[in-house]
Amino acid sequence: DGGITQSPKYLFRKEGQNVTLSCEQNLNHDAMYWYRQDPGQGLRLIYYSQIVNDFQKGDIAEGYSVSREKKESFPLTVTSAQKNPTAFYLCASRTGAQPQHFGDGTRLSIL
Amino acid sequence: GESVGLHLPTLSVQEGDNSIINCAYSNSASDYFIWYKQESGKGPQFIIDIRSNMDKRQGQRVTVLLNKTVKHLSLQIAATQPGDSAVYFCAENSGGSNYKLTFGKGTLLTVNP
Repeated sequence: DGGITQSPKYLFRKEGQNVTLSCEQNLNHDAMYWYRQDPGQGLRLIYYSQIVNDFQKGDIAEGYSVSREKKESFPLTVTSAQKNPTAFYLCASRTGAQPQHFGDGTRLSIL
Repeated sequence: GESVGLHLPTLSVQEGDNSIINCAYSNSASDYFIWYKQESGKGPQFIIDIRSNMDKRQGQRVTVLLNKTVKHLSLQIAATQPGDSAVYFCAENSGGSNYKLTFGKGTLLTVNP
């Protein structure tokens, strides 16, 4: 079945460590997005990419980095500069004027 | 600034009743609105969307109403079932052709059997 796969489901980060969250889609969607969700809150946009080799900052990009080397992949790196990384991270993809479809998220915690 | 918010953070209904979840938005230029359902530990699931040239759209057991005059969006769920229990988010397209969505904080719907 086509869909969006996020891995791992749970991730732990040590102080000063960078961690990378994976997002893969086999929907042939052009656009991909990363959101952060804090408890009891809505989603906030971190980065998005409309096409391969291009991406733009969202509302809360500080402390994060992304790459878009392949259409199906949009990994997110949470760097040590992100001082409050504990959150639920959601990846989405979209094509044309269709709504964004989401993966099932990665929950990041600090050791 | 621009924002999307919800009037009610929690809603509790009896099984079989109709549910109405409300959402206010402030960006009058938004042209596209979506409702998502999120179950615990999962990603948001698309329910229904509506474009700004419409004021009503119906799906299976769900209806979205858009009132651009007062910048208000609502989701109606008919004959609510226990499986409808989840957090519901409204989102507006504030990014034009980039489809950058701005999400509200969500409403927790609890359906009592």
